[in-house]
Amino acid sequence: QLQLQESGPGLVKPSETLSLTCSVSGGSISSTSYYWGWIRQPPGKGLEWIGTIYYSGSTYHNPSLKSRVTISVDSSKNQFSLKLSSMTATDTAVYYCARYVEYCNSTSCHGFFDYWGRGTLVTVSS
Amino acid sequence: DIQMTQSPSSLSASVGDRVTITCRASQSISIYLNWYQQKPGRAPELLIYTASSLQSGVPSRFSGSGSGTDFTLTITSLQPEDFATYYCQQTYNTPRNIFGPGTKVDIK
Repeated sequence: QLQLQESGPGLVKPSETLSLTCSVSGGSISSTSYYWGWIRQPPGKGLEWIGTIYYSGSTYHNPSLKSRVTISVDSSKNQFSLKLSSMTATDTAVYYCARYVEYCNSTSCHGFFDYWGRGTLVTVSS
Repeated sequence: DIQMTQSPSSLSASVGDRVTITCRASQSISIYLNWYQQKPGRAPELLIYTASSLQSGVPSRFSGSGSGTDFTLTITSLQPEDFATYYCQQTYNTPRNIFGPGTKVDIK
């Protein structure tokens, strides 16, 4: 059974950089069938996709977060990571990591998140 | 950018009721629409992918339909464990993902 576990600080100061890691067990992060993603959810609000990475290192992120997002993968540790810079109070949220299953037809690719971590609450406060 | 809306934003229902939730895209997304269920304090769980395909292990009382811009999630006989918030997600222009705002289903 695939499992994902987020780890990182629960409290970050304004203007600092958040660093989170997602550890994957029960499967290989280097599988060619999957991407790996980060999604967040502010308290009482909806889901926001942050970004996605392939084991090769190809990344995609939400344009609304501009250049603040860095996602990386460490296949040797079966982990992938998120860095979000210039944190503000609006970045307070539960951060989830998840596996993204991609499927393609002759013209395009699509997918869904099928396995999720439990999430970790990150609060931005001085 | 493709925008997603859901209606209603919340509803109250009783055990055994048939519940229908609608998700609308601002432009055609073909069938590339997924549905998730989220219970309080828990991560979302995939229910339906590509508009109508039931994820393994999901009860058959859940079903999805639609294509283009209009999609529906139906729960044929609401069970106590179904009280949750439901989100749609479009992956038409993957790897970008857009989630809908959610529909909360609570007990009448």
